[in-house]
This record gives sequence, C-alpha cells and structure tokens, in this order.
Amino acid sequence: EAQVTQNPRYLITVTGKKLTVTCSQNMNHEYMSWYRQDPGLGLRQIYYSMNVEVTDKGDVPEGYKVSRKEKRNFPLILESPSPNQTSLYFCASSPRLQGGYTFGSGTRLTVV
Amino acid sequence: GENVEQHPSTLSVQEGDSAVIKCTYSDSASNYFPWYKQELGKGPQLIIDIRSNVGEKKDQRIAVTLNKTAKHFSLHITETQPEDSAVYFCAASIGGGFKTIFGAGTRLFVKA
Repeated sequence: EAQVTQNPRYLITVTGKKLTVTCSQNMNHEYMSWYRQDPGLGLRQIYYSMNVEVTDKGDVPEGYKVSRKEKRNFPLILESPSPNQTSLYFCASSPRLQGGYTFGSGTRLTVV
Repeated sequence: GENVEQHPSTLSVQEGDSAVIKCTYSDSASNYFPWYKQELGKGPQLIIDIRSNVGEKKDQRIAVTLNKTAKHFSLHITETQPEDSAVYFCAASIGGGFKTIFGAGTRLFVKA
C-alpha cells in the first residue's frame, strides 16, 4: 500500500530532551515536507525537501532540524523541545513540484 | 508575508444542499491550488486541485473555481452527504515552487 509512515503516533516528553520523529514514504516521491497543525492556524510548513540532501525552510523552522540522506526518509529533529512545540505534526510527500501531498497519520507531541 | 485566508471557519448545511468554501491568496506568483479534506484523527487527504491556467475543474460532486485576477478560489460541494462532514483546507503554492501555505480550515457539518 502506498503510504507515508510516521512514528511515533503519540509522544510526551520533557523540555530540553532531544527527540526525533521519523517519516518514511514508499512511493519514490522526490518531495517531502513537515507541517505542524495548531487550532485556528491550519497547517504551517516547517521544512521541505526537494531531493536527497536538498532541504529548505518553511514558515516556522525555528527549533527544528531535518535531514534527507535517503529518498524515502525525512526525519524531524527537535534538539531542545519547548512547550510551544506541543502540536500535531504531519509528514507529507509529493511526486512532483506541483502535485498534491500524501500525508502521514500524524504525530501528536506534548512537551511538558 | 504571503498568506491564504479561508472563509467561513464553520459551515453547517442540510443533507442534499450545496456547500461553498472560499479562499483568497496574496502571492500573485501562486499557480497551484489544492484542496484537502481532513477527517477526525487522520491526515489531510487531497480531494481536488487546480492550476493557474484553468478556471474551473470538476470531479463528480466537487468543483473548484479560480479567479486569478481577484486572487481567489472556491470549493463547491453539491448534494452534500453526512460523510462530507470534515475539516476542509485550501492551499496555494508560493512563488511557483514547492513551498505551500494552507488556509486555517473550514469545519463542515452536514445534517441528516
């Protein structure tokens, strides 16, 4: 089945403890992106990648890192999480520059 | 900065009626406009998209219209059904590239 897989689905962590949310797609898509979803704000783009080793900032990149060492994987790294990063996170991929996204099921992160 | 405004934030219709959701965008270089449907506990799912060289696109009960001069686009759902109840997001590409900005979402309720 063609899909984007995120892990974990739920995560509660403490301020300052480094964490990684994994994302993998099995559709050989070139483009991948991370979004966060907050009530009343819609989805805001954190980082995106247009190919292996090619990444760029979205609208809200502060406090996040990404890497794209392989085409299928695009992990999101929070080096020192803070409570304002409590949110619902989605990874997405697309086969072309202007093609619709396939989204993962989301990761609900709580930072206390 | 660039933004996408979406209205209304909540929409309630009777089963069988039509629903219309409107979005405006600020970046005149935007040329790709997807719409997503998000059901509870799931990631957004692409339902229809339109490119700037097209004024209207239809897929069964769903249609999207685009007015590039006015910088607005709309989603039309006809003969609504209870399973259409969800949150709908519009989005626009920025600068003709992969960076994408989403509207804040519209929660649609279809009453049986």
